[in-house]
Amino acid sequence: SQKIEQNSEALNIQEGKTATLTCNYTNYSPAYLQWYRQDPGRGPVFLLLIRENEKEKRKERLKVTFDTTLKQSLFHITASQPADSATYLCALGGSARQLTFGSGTQLTVLP
Amino acid sequence: GAVVSQHPSWVICKSGTSVKIECRSLDFQATTMFWYRQFPKQSLMLMATSNEGSKATYEQGVEKDKFLINHASLTLSTLTVTSAHPEDSSFYICSASSSGYEQYFGPGTRLTVT
Repeated sequence: SQKIEQNSEALNIQEGKTATLTCNYTNYSPAYLQWYRQDPGRGPVFLLLIRENEKEKRKERLKVTFDTTLKQSLFHITASQPADSATYLCALGGSARQLTFGSGTQLTVLP
Repeated sequence: GAVVSQHPSWVICKSGTSVKIECRSLDFQATTMFWYRQFPKQSLMLMATSNEGSKATYEQGVEKDKFLINHASLTLSTLTVTSAHPEDSSFYICSASSSGYEQYFGPGTRLTVT
């Protein structure tokens, strides 16, 4: 059956360090993968999209990699700040543009 | 840009009544809108996909007669929960998409059925 796993429900890191979040999937062949940020009681906010033929994407302090052989995406936040504390969701996209979401990783950046 | 609103942000209703939730794309035309449900500490589950002017496509296990979706214009989609029951209490979130793959989400609607 199809499965999306995001590493550890919660991740705590020290301010200034790089946070690395993992998204692994099985029995999927996504055309693209997206990362979202969700704050409590709010809808997700789009961060980055990476296509199946792309290896890496960057946006300011964010970097996403996509390895279709390993069936894995890594999401990095460099120079993390307490304001980066949130739940981060990875989502796999299919041909009909529907998204299937992972369960999320709750990131806490400690001052 | 790419702002999506939802109304109401929260609603409490009695069991057996119906509730309508609106989703609007404020600064772009959304050819496709998606409706999700999210239970506490869980991820978003896609309920249905709607294209403007067409009938919605429901995910497996979602009752189309219970969750009525209308996408009458390029900026408005509505979800009506009919004959709501306590187990329908959840966080309902819509998203809108134009021509690209990015989905822009609304702030969500918290539904509590008593």
